[in-house]
Amino acid sequence: QKEVEQNSGPLSVPEGAIASLNCTYSDRGSQSFFWYRQYSGKSPELIMFIYSNGDKEDGRFTAQLNKASQYVSLLIRDSQPSDSATYLCAVWVGNEKLTFGTGTRLTIIP
Amino acid sequence: GAVVSQHPSWVICKSGTSVKIECRSLDFQATTMFWYRQFPKQSLMLMATSNEGSKATYEQGVEKDKFLINHASLTLSTLTVTSAHPEDSSFYICSARDLAGGFDEQFFGPGTRLTVL
Repeated sequence: QKEVEQNSGPLSVPEGAIASLNCTYSDRGSQSFFWYRQYSGKSPELIMFIYSNGDKEDGRFTAQLNKASQYVSLLIRDSQPSDSATYLCAVWVGNEKLTFGTGTRLTIIP
Repeated sequence: GAVVSQHPSWVICKSGTSVKIECRSLDFQATTMFWYRQFPKQSLMLMATSNEGSKATYEQGVEKDKFLINHASLTLSTLTVTSAHPEDSSFYICSARDLAGGFDEQFFGPGTRLTVL
């Protein structure tokens, strides 16, 4: 079982709709969870991090964490074409290294 | 957020030559830096963890003699790809860990695209 799993997509969402990205992780002791956005040919940029169960909102982005289910998600409201990118879920493993999922490719359709 | 720079942003070299990539944290001190490699349409793969003043910790399957990492100061880590071959062509990305803000965040450099002919 991979440490961090994501659906690779592609996920297509109409402009203005809500995009929902999901991620599961295997290490029950993980405490820190991150969502990165990566445009083609560029390095990842941090969108949000979440440490506690529940929801965390930042502008159009909401991260959701459920440690009991070992599940973290990212919601993007009012999706824009500029949101089209690959979204990487990452989890600190053993407080030593950040482990990435394979990423979900999101396309916002105008 | 904190800024991490990488140099060069791209490099083309002949097979058999060595290439050095620099990673700098510009506005914070990073006791830990990480080196990743990313092949097309794949996720980031951690190559090694670099701690200032000590030897790097390499991930399984990464040749330490081929990928030399030096973390000489709190703001600079270098990756040298020795005797590069076409299969080493990839996107190399460094990141630096910043604990100063009370949160454990990792900031990425812009990446270096290496092409070995």
